Amino acid sequence: EIVLTQSPGTLSLSPGDRATLSCRASQSVSSSNLAWYQQKPGQAPRLLIYGGSSRATGTPDRFSGSGSGTDFTLTISRLESEDFAVYFCQQYGGSPRVTFGGGTKVEIK
Amino acid sequence: QVQLQESGPGLVKPSETLSLTCSVSGDSITRNYWSWVRQPPGKGLEWIGYIYSTASTSENPSLGSRITISLDRSKNQFSLKLRSVTAADTAVYYCARITSTYMDVWGKGTTVTVSS
Repeated sequence: EIVLTQSPGTLSLSPGDRATLSCRASQSVSSSNLAWYQQKPGQAPRLLIYGGSSRATGTPDRFSGSGSGTDFTLTISRLESEDFAVYFCQQYGGSPRVTFGGGTKVEIK
Repeated sequence: QVQLQESGPGLVKPSETLSLTCSVSGDSITRNYWSWVRQPPGKGLEWIGYIYSTASTSENPSLGSRITISLDRSKNQFSLKLRSVTAADTAVYYCARITSTYMDVWGKGTTVTVSS
C-alpha cells in the first residue's frame, strides 16, 4: 500500500511569505501520477497541480509543484489571502489505486 | 462546462445501505473514469472507488466488499452503494471525474450522517 505523508500538518505564515509543503510517499511514485488539491472550508477540493508540476487551468503561477520518486513539494511563492486553505497530495496507480495525503493546513500567522 | 451533482439521503440508519447518485452534465460518462471520495468531519480525503465507461471498477480495499459502483448510461449518472454502514461512514461524499491520473472536476459534495 502506498501511503502519502504530508508535512507539516499546519503551516502558520503571513501574506507575502513563501510556503513549502511536503508530500512523502512510502514507495516510489511516478511524478506523472502525483497531483495537488486545495480545499477551503465548506468547499470541494480543487485541482491545483497534476503530473507533479503542471498547473491546472486557473491555477496562478505562484503555485509550483516539483519532486520525484518519494519526495514531492508544493511551493507557493508569495502567499495571498485566498491561499490560506488545506492542501492535499494524491497519487494514482499504486495500491490502492488512489491515495491521498493527510493534508497540510496553511493558516494566517 | 462539466458539472457533477451528488444526490441521496442525508441520514442513513446503522447496518443499512447508503445509496448516492452523481449526475453528470457537460460530459458523457461513456468517457473517462468516475470516482467517489469521502471526507469524515474534520478529517482528510478518502478514495472510495471508481468506475470506467466499460463498467469496470476499482475499489479501496479498506472498504472491502461493502461497495458497489455502477453506471446508468441512459441518465448519464453513476452511483454508489455502501452496505452495512456504521457511524464511521458519516462523511461528506464527493463524486469526481478522473482525467488521466487526477480528479479535475468535483461535485459540491453531500453530507451523509449514519445514526438511528
